[in-house]
Amino acid sequence: AQSVAQPEDQVNVAEGNPLTVKCTYSVSGNPYLFWYVQYPNRGLQFLLKYITGDNLVKGSYGFEAEFNKSQTSFHLKKPSALVSDSALYFCAVRDMNNNAGNMLTFGGGTRLMVKP
Amino acid sequence: GAVVSQHPSRVICKSGTSVKIECRSLDFQATTMFWYRQFPKQSLMLMATSNEGSKATYEQGVEKDKFLINHASLTLSTLTVTSAHPEDSSFYICSARDPWGVSNQPQHFGDGTRLSIL
Repeated sequence: AQSVAQPEDQVNVAEGNPLTVKCTYSVSGNPYLFWYVQYPNRGLQFLLKYITGDNLVKGSYGFEAEFNKSQTSFHLKKPSALVSDSALYFCAVRDMNNNAGNMLTFGGGTRLMVKP
Repeated sequence: GAVVSQHPSRVICKSGTSVKIECRSLDFQATTMFWYRQFPKQSLMLMATSNEGSKATYEQGVEKDKFLINHASLTLSTLTVTSAHPEDSSFYICSARDPWGVSNQPQHFGDGTRLSIL
């Protein structure tokens, strides 16, 4: 079984400050890890992914995430937050050894609030 | 890139009405589509996996007769909420399996349907 935990329901940051949204995962095999963003009344938009290779992954809109195998974490980061980054962020995992048709398991989501 | 269109974006209807939601892959063939339900301030809950030309696979606790799924073509899956009641009010999101494999994105999402049953 695979699972994802996002320990923070909400993260508040001031515009221009760095932001971190936390994610930890559990899979039986090697993980594929993803971050998605959701704006109000919209579906999920892909931000970035980790499959293999460099532990620091760069994605859309200046976001990046660091894969840490020993801590089973994949925290989302951005050096300088924008008010427009305010949204709901989901971490997701897929077990590389699971042939379930690209089945994803999502975390509970973290609401990011960036204040001017 | 792969685009998924979901329609309608919002539905408001009376209790007892059946509501159909469409999910289309616009520029690729989707043999597998997924239907999710999202409650306010909560994560996505997978309801069912829709496979073209065969019966959908429902997650535990999801009523098959309540949420009818049809995936009759490689570009269209539909979710019909039959005899909807206020407790069915929710945000429903579909996604399509990436046709080029998991090395890209595993799923491409529609923009969701806000269903409100009065």
